[in-house]
Amino acid sequence: DSGVTQTPKHLITATGQRVTLRCSPRSGDLSVYWYQQSLDQGLQFLIQYYNGEERAKGNILERFSAQQFPDLHSELNLSSLELGDSALYFCASSTGAGGPIDTQYFGPGTRLTVL
Amino acid sequence: AQKVTQAQTEISVVEKEDVTLDCVYETRDTTYYLFWYKQPPSGELVFLIRRNSFDEQNEISGRYSWNFQKSTSSFNFTITASQVVDSAVYFCALSDPQAGTALIFGKGTTLSVSS
Repeated sequence: DSGVTQTPKHLITATGQRVTLRCSPRSGDLSVYWYQQSLDQGLQFLIQYYNGEERAKGNILERFSAQQFPDLHSELNLSSLELGDSALYFCASSTGAGGPIDTQYFGPGTRLTVL
Repeated sequence: AQKVTQAQTEISVVEKEDVTLDCVYETRDTTYYLFWYKQPPSGELVFLIRRNSFDEQNEISGRYSWNFQKSTSSFNFTITASQVVDSAVYFCALSDPQAGTALIFGKGTTLSVSS
């Protein structure tokens, strides 16, 4: 158990809908990352938050947004869903300090299926 | 640009065989970090090891060992006396502080160990 929790574990929805994925980081970690894993794109970085502020953006679509709350949990919002958004979405957390001890630990993932 | 290549898509071995998973990376920076993660059939991503670019010592942890060679930009992973429980997808990843702390993943190698 990495200490990172994600809910829900599975999500099935229809095209055009909006969903919210939730992540709670490990105790003491300030940084949260979101990644998408799909068969064709592999594991791709979406966005990073550090202590409530957006720190880095990767290949995140404009239809997707995220935030990190004062208690450090994070939510990833996916809207106007398309079939191609079906994927496994991972959250990871780290201390955020950078440097040689900053390792990302991953949650169990949320499997999103868009029908 | 940073890139991680895992040329072996799938490897099949019989229990007790040794197996090496290859990882080649590209980065222009002198300080970077390399990782291996394991994704068992249950789907979670499990952290295995982190290696800093300035530490070229090889590492052994039980049946697992890692060979880091800066001269060939490789960070290979060997499992000695493989077991069925080693069956998983293994990902090599790169973090380059100059480009932020997000992980750049290879496509992964699926290891199947049969009894």
